Amino acid sequence: QVQLKQSGPGLVQPSQSLSITCTVSGFSLTSYGVHWVRQSPGKGLEWLGVIWSGGSTDYNAAFISRLSISKDNSKSQVFFKMNSLQADDTAIYYCARKATATAMDYWGQGTSVTVSS
Amino acid sequence: SIVMTQTPKFLLVSAGDRVTITCKASQSVSNDVAWYQQKPGQSPKLLIYYASNRYTGVPDRFTGSGYGTDFTFTISTVQAEDLAVYFCQQDYSSPPTFGGGTKLEIK
Repeated sequence: QVQLKQSGPGLVQPSQSLSITCTVSGFSLTSYGVHWVRQSPGKGLEWLGVIWSGGSTDYNAAFISRLSISKDNSKSQVFFKMNSLQADDTAIYYCARKATATAMDYWGQGTSVTVSS
Repeated sequence: SIVMTQTPKFLLVSAGDRVTITCKASQSVSNDVAWYQQKPGQSPKLLIYYASNRYTGVPDRFTGSGYGTDFTFTISTVQAEDLAVYFCQQDYSSPPTFGGGTKLEIK
């Protein structure tokens, strides 16, 4: 069955970077895009970026200077990296699959990230 | 960015009631709106895509409608298991944006 499993740290120091890996199963990254979304009490759900099935990326302009998304199709892994984290980046970060003709239909379990010293 | 204004923020209903949530887009998004359900401690789950298409396995008590700037999500007969926060989302224009959410509680 389709699964997206996230791995990454729960605590990040201010000004440091956040790296999360989204390992997928039950589908191929060559057929689906993977989006990244975060959720915080103050800002709700925010779309961060996407890596498309062909490997191209799109980023939210608000994060473009400090966000990078890449993937390894052979390992079924998508890599998320955000630099220069501050306290207001504290949130739950999700990866989510999206097919062309639907919406974000499968989500990872979420990675709860706290930015604090 | 397109702003999705979702109302109401909170609903307190009884099992068996009919529930309606609305989302208004700041500009036309055609029919490119999805609705998600997020139960406590869980990730969002897709219910409706392209405004009115029910996703695989979603019960038929959940329906969506609308086009352009005004969208509606309805639960025809609320059940206790529908306790959750519901979100709308537009994917017509980048960046995709979400409504603020509606928290549904059951009496």
